[in-house]
Amino acid sequence: AQSVAQPEDQVNVAEGNPLTVKCTYSVSGNPYLFWYVQYPNRGLQFLLKYITGDNLVKGSYGFEAEFNKSQTSFHLKKPSALVSDSALYFCAVREWSNSGYALNFGKGTSLLVTP
Amino acid sequence: AAGVIQSPRHLIKEKRETATLKCYPIPRHDTVYWYQQGPGQDPQFLISFYEKMQSDKGSIPDRFSAQQFSDYHSELNMSSLELGDSALYFCASSLGLGDRGTDTQYFGPGTRLTVL
Repeated sequence: AQSVAQPEDQVNVAEGNPLTVKCTYSVSGNPYLFWYVQYPNRGLQFLLKYITGDNLVKGSYGFEAEFNKSQTSFHLKKPSALVSDSALYFCAVREWSNSGYALNFGKGTSLLVTP
Repeated sequence: AAGVIQSPRHLIKEKRETATLKCYPIPRHDTVYWYQQGPGQDPQFLISFYEKMQSDKGSIPDRFSAQQFSDYHSELNMSSLELGDSALYFCASSLGLGDRGTDTQYFGPGTRLTVL
């Protein structure tokens, strides 16, 4: 079973509007949560992570994410979307398993920001 | 800032051939990870090394092997290539400080392997 789920394959938002990319997790113990962005034919770029502390995490390019333990969620947000934010977004959780401390990715959410 | 370097960026091989992918981590990073991303798929963890020793092992086929050298660069060796090995192979590096699992992995641009 996937340790992290991204329920939306695609999110469409108009430029200037706020955006949310959803992520929920299911791990035992304290989750270490990450967001990465992948542009076409490029590697994954780190955006932000939650380890402990403040539930609101601020990251690169104006993105932020809120850790919600009761809802087991770590949604990625941005107050005002840019066309250049259009990309594939991956939520990931670092957890201990038979594989050791692997980084397990969600299936990804394609974000399309229209002018 | 220096990033993770992977070579080659593109590689085309025939079935049953071998391939070697190289990864040069960010300077002073001591941990290297390898991932495989099939078309339209999320990245799958293959294997990782910390201080030149294998640390974690994921879904790496027995036909694949990897190692980390004294200068911390890593190589992924792939033998008896199959059509299904066609994928984007990412290397990531991190500085393994503090509690395991909390370090940030920084990814390279990937090597696109095509097996014909």
